[in-house]
Amino acid sequence: GAVVSQHPSRVICKSGTSVKIECRSLDFQATTMFWYRQFPKQSLMLMATSNEGSKATYEQGVEKDKFLINHASLTLSTLTVTSAHPEDSSFYICSAERRDHGYTFGSGTRLTVV
Amino acid sequence: GDSVTQMEGPVTLSEEAFLTINCTYTATGYPSLFWYVQYPGEGLQLLLKATKADDKGSNKGFEATYRKETTSFHLEKGSVQVSDSAVYFCALSHRDNYGQNFVFGPGTRLSVLP
Repeated sequence: GAVVSQHPSRVICKSGTSVKIECRSLDFQATTMFWYRQFPKQSLMLMATSNEGSKATYEQGVEKDKFLINHASLTLSTLTVTSAHPEDSSFYICSAERRDHGYTFGSGTRLTVV
Repeated sequence: GDSVTQMEGPVTLSEEAFLTINCTYTATGYPSLFWYVQYPGEGLQLLLKATKADDKGSNKGFEATYRKETTSFHLEKGSVQVSDSAVYFCALSHRDNYGQNFVFGPGTRLSVLP
């Protein structure tokens, strides 16, 4: 079946540094990638949608200069949290769409900024 | 580790038919349980949730009851509409030593025919 590998699963970084999260579809080409974040005591919120080779579409209220999304190939999308702050600590998860076959989730990344 | 199992799709129903999508989970402790829906071309939307045993989540005519004894959270709707055609994901969430995380089921595609 379709598998999406997300790395790292857990990361702790210092305030002010940048962190890159990778989402890779292992056995299929992902036409679209979705990036989500969980806010405290809430369910997941969509951050952005990215299509291979084009700029990501960000949801309202998401800072595109802070959360850089690159979808350079049909099997890889990355989310970079730039100049991370403690309030960026959260659970981030990606979902890859395989046209006409549905969606597959990564395993998620727990980011802690200290 | 934690896991979520959903009934295999796709599910095709006629309008006004009764819908059940089965979901069972394996988890330590007492997770929160969710149903998410994803319409074509859009990100996930929270449909309903339940945070403890015997809670019933409901929204837009859909409902699901948290059954700890059977570790299930089946989604039901009495009369589906064409506009309900989408992919439905069952998910659990819990907090461990590293923070909050989500585990998703594989998704069930629902097609409702007029």
